[in-house]
Amino acid sequence: QLVLTQSPSASASLGASVKLTCTLSSGHSSYAIAWHQQQPEKGPRYLMKLNSDGSHSKGDGIPDRFSGSSSGAERYLTISSLQSEDEADYYCQTWGTGSLVFGGGTKLTVL
Amino acid sequence: QVTLRESGPALVKPTQTLTLTCTFSGFSLSTSGMCVSWIRQPPGKALEWLALIDWDDDKYYSTSLKTRLTISKDTSKNQVVLTMTNMDPVDTATYYCARMINYYGSGSLDYWGQGTLVTVSS
Repeated sequence: QLVLTQSPSASASLGASVKLTCTLSSGHSSYAIAWHQQQPEKGPRYLMKLNSDGSHSKGDGIPDRFSGSSSGAERYLTISSLQSEDEADYYCQTWGTGSLVFGGGTKLTVL
Repeated sequence: QVTLRESGPALVKPTQTLTLTCTFSGFSLSTSGMCVSWIRQPPGKALEWLALIDWDDDKYYSTSLKTRLTISKDTSKNQVVLTMTNMDPVDTATYYCARMINYYGSGSLDYWGQGTLVTVSS
């Protein structure tokens, strides 16, 4: 069964970097995923598509501070030079075998 | 420029059927690889996938909700319609539509609508 696992929360200081993780379930380590950001009281926004080889393509207007990388079944979202507006929920998402799947989301707090 | 917009009732009563319309522009749902999906988010909770329809009129549903959902498209109107039967207060949520491009079996939701809040209450 295709499942995406995310840590419920993360925190980092203003101006620092943070790396969020999304883990694909066993047997699905070759899958591409997408990262989405949801700021408080707003709808989700597409950040990027991230392939298993770490290559990624970002959505319109996404700053260079956002980058992605991969290792095995893990997919990462790194945000550098954290700003207050980066405080948000971050969801990973994938599609496979006729099903679209979301991770449970990571709530990022900027200290 | 790709845009999607959800429309439908803000309030429905328990046991009623909900009908939501996603009106989009900037792409055609008759183009190979194009898909439109519905997602919902109860207040304070995570995103939940509901259904997806593709350019070839193939339809896919959440396993847990498939008996209650129907998705359809009107390519000439650039619209996708979702119906959900037997609404319950636990179905209170913001409902989003989003575009997905199916690229060699992988897909990312790359454009989202702003969402519409549906409250189920008598």
